[in-house]
Amino acid sequence: GQNIDQPTEMTATEGAIVQINCTYQTSGFNGLFWYQQHAGEAPTFLSYNVLDGLEEKGRFSSFLSRSKGYSYLLLKELQMKDSASYLCAVLHHSGSARQLTFGSGTQLTVLP
Amino acid sequence: GAVVSQHPSRVICKSGTSVKIECRSLDFQATTMFWYRQFPKQSLMLMATSNEGSKATYEQGVEKDKFLINHASLTLSTLTVTSAHPEDSSFYICSARDSGQPNTEAFFGQGTRLTVV
Repeated sequence: GQNIDQPTEMTATEGAIVQINCTYQTSGFNGLFWYQQHAGEAPTFLSYNVLDGLEEKGRFSSFLSRSKGYSYLLLKELQMKDSASYLCAVLHHSGSARQLTFGSGTQLTVLP
Repeated sequence: GAVVSQHPSRVICKSGTSVKIECRSLDFQATTMFWYRQFPKQSLMLMATSNEGSKATYEQGVEKDKFLINHASLTLSTLTVTSAHPEDSSFYICSARDSGQPNTEAFFGQGTRLTVV
């Protein structure tokens, strides 16, 4: 089965930097996604890593270490609108299909 | 990016009735679509994998006779919640990935808020 762990909650201050960690155990690994989800809305795509290393996209960066089963999402210059749930999701083979299995999500609160 | 349209966005139904939720990929073909359920303050839980032209694959603990899935074309999957009960009230979300680009992001529908009274 799949096992994905990430912190339940985090709090940070506007303008600061926050790192959200995710560890996973899976078979048939095909990559790791980070999604942002505001309450009552569908998730929106933030990043995708399949190779080791850092992917930078504006204020958001994502890192992956396949050997360690570890990823993090780095958010810089935090804004109030960044308050949301951040979901780590692993893409993996399940039978003939590739499935996304989600972590429980990290609820980030950005304070003024 | 690609668009997945899910309808309806909100539905209230009486206990014992059935509700159909549609999920359409608007500008790409999806041989596989996924149905998730999300309870308040919890993550998305995969219910089933919808396969075009064949039977859906259900996750453990999900009743296939209660949650009927039909994937009749490469752009449409439907989830029917039969004999709905208040405990079925939840946020249902579908996702699809472009069949031509299997390792890319999954695109999500807008979600359907189901309330069973």
